[in-house]
Amino acid sequence: DIVMTQSPDSLAVSLGERATINCKSSQSVLYISNNKNYLAWYQQKPGQPPKVLIYWASTRESGVPDRFSGSGSGTDFTLTISSLQAEDVAVYFCQQYYNSPLTFGGGTKVEIK
Amino acid sequence: QVQLVQSGAEVKKPGASVKVSCKASGYSFISNYMHWVRQAPGQGLEWMGIINPSGGSTTYAQKFQGRVTMTRDTSSSTVYMELSSLRSEDTAVYYCARVEETVARLGYFDPWGQGTLVTVSS
Repeated sequence: DIVMTQSPDSLAVSLGERATINCKSSQSVLYISNNKNYLAWYQQKPGQPPKVLIYWASTRESGVPDRFSGSGSGTDFTLTISSLQAEDVAVYFCQQYYNSPLTFGGGTKVEIK
Repeated sequence: QVQLVQSGAEVKKPGASVKVSCKASGYSFISNYMHWVRQAPGQGLEWMGIINPSGGSTTYAQKFQGRVTMTRDTSSSTVYMELSSLRSEDTAVYYCARVEETVARLGYFDPWGQGTLVTVSS
């Protein structure tokens, strides 16, 4: 199984400041034949299901504010919130869909400092 | 719009079974694989398995082999997840989630159902 390790477990950022979340996979999730990283990022607010923000490691889902961006390749990935807003308080998860079983990172809780 | 609506909360005794439904609308039901994911209180996300709504084939996570059954009813565009021999550790919110890319067995999920809380308690 591919193990997804997120860091940090939580972070507190001032409004308008940058938040950076890391995700590392135990093996590469880059499919060489199509040069795509099989990695997604989700946002989960209390009492709600997860919502996809980023897929293919860096493609922003329609309707997601452009302050959210994803980067990385192979085994190391980053989700960046360029200017934190109050509505971004949530838990963020990475997920690999390279192979079965699908696996998720443990989550990163983002709060306002 | 694409929507997944799940059945309501359940309270079960240890050893019992629970069956959760997930009704899809707003797209061609047979075109997208459906997965089930659960989340224990305050915990992370745990993948349980996949069902192909077209042919009904399934793949289950090893952890749940022998205890989980996923089925579908194409006439009502509904998938079901039944978990048996429940124990307290199965207390969780259970989600259905659609693979966004048509025909793809694995993929990112969009959307998710609203979740069904299953509480296992004597």
